[in-house]
Amino acid sequence: ETGVTQTPRHLVMGMTNKKSLKCEQHLGHNAMYWYKQSAKKPLELMFVYSLEERVENNSVPSRFSPECPNSSHLFLHLHTLQPEDSALYLCASSGGGDRANSPLHFGNGTRLTVT
Amino acid sequence: AQKITQTQPGMFVQEKEAVTLDCTYDTSDQSYGLFWYKQPSSGEMIFLIYQGSYDEQNATEGRYSLNFQKARKSANLVISASQLGDSAMYFCAMREGIANFGNEKLTFGTGTRLTIIP
Repeated sequence: ETGVTQTPRHLVMGMTNKKSLKCEQHLGHNAMYWYKQSAKKPLELMFVYSLEERVENNSVPSRFSPECPNSSHLFLHLHTLQPEDSALYLCASSGGGDRANSPLHFGNGTRLTVT
Repeated sequence: AQKITQTQPGMFVQEKEAVTLDCTYDTSDQSYGLFWYKQPSSGEMIFLIYQGSYDEQNATEGRYSLNFQKARKSANLVISASQLGDSAMYFCAMREGIANFGNEKLTFGTGTRLTIIP
């Protein structure tokens, strides 16, 4: 089992569809993150969950709806997306403590294409 | 203003040569951490090396070392004896301040695409 698993790896959806991205971590971490990676732009932090509580929401449009039912699972629910939402969506986890040197552990990402 | 700047969009390096990837950062915090990640074409972000703002020695991990110049606010990644498998995107990232409420978020640069030539 890899540390952080994301499904699906690829997703093509129309603008009127509803879909969900799933992330699961097997590292015993208690903080989870969604990042968006678009071409030629820095990774953009979308949401942060710590102990299943959302602690950061970086002005993300409401068509993206995160859910964290427990410390091992994170979802990103998508509805009525726009073509500019096409990107690689990366999930990450971390230990969630005050350890300055604790890296984020990433999954392989979901490549989303909105048509 | 960009917090992390990577000025090299792409680099081509001969196999077995050393390569330096540039990173400058901007923060007013005294306590911060700098990270480098590698992203192969598979998409996964792989953690390579960490440097803390109070660390006096430059960090090293195998063939990776970090040339940390605090006064210049630079944290360049040096890869020695490059290999074909080093071809990937490389991202510099920063964590400012002390992790709070379990939020250990990182701010990333735009990355450098490194291609190793046989």
